[in-house]
Amino acid sequence: DVKVTQSSRYLVKRTGEKVFLECVQDMDHENMFWYRQDPGLGLRLIYFSYDVKMKEKGDIPEGYSVSREKKERFSLILESASTNQTSMYLCASSMDHGGIYTGELFFGEGSRLTVL
Amino acid sequence: KNEVEQSPQNLTAQEGEFITINCSYSVGISALHWLQQHPGGGIVSLFMLSSGKKKHGRLIATINIQEKHSSLHITASHPRDSAVYICAVPSNTGNQFYFGTGTSLTVIP
Repeated sequence: DVKVTQSSRYLVKRTGEKVFLECVQDMDHENMFWYRQDPGLGLRLIYFSYDVKMKEKGDIPEGYSVSREKKERFSLILESASTNQTSMYLCASSMDHGGIYTGELFFGEGSRLTVL
Repeated sequence: KNEVEQSPQNLTAQEGEFITINCSYSVGISALHWLQQHPGGGIVSLFMLSSGKKKHGRLIATINIQEKHSSLHITASHPRDSAVYICAVPSNTGNQFYFGTGTSLTVIP
């Protein structure tokens, strides 16, 4: 059973704290993504990675950074959490078919972050 | 400008009704994805299709590439179908996705 696993389902942090959200996939996928999901705004791409140590900014990268040291693991980092980063964070992965066609998307269960 | 538009945004149906959710997109695509998210849950992929029609149980997805339109149908709807349904298409580079804002479906017993 293929799987994308996010480290924490629920987190509560204080403003200014550093936050790590980890995502691991067991499908040997090249592409991994971090999204945030907010009511009325849908899914917005924060960062994606198409290979180890490679990363690309998405639509809303400000206030976030990422790390991909191993193919199976993609981490999202909030250097100094702020209240407007309270959201649901979703990790996803997909196979890369030569950059022309992206395969099925697999999502993690999501991490609901509350910043007080 | 939204690359992916879904309608309706919200939908309430009686159990047993036939349901249709629509998705229109403006980019050229290789495949379109339909996703499902139950309340408080993660997102699961229902379909990935590039032409014609696919069926899985009571769910049917169709796509018309020329018209850049896809529909998701649910036959004999059930309360457990209550979820948000999201349409997604890959970008032209193939390694990003554009998402619709979702259709929130509630099926009443």
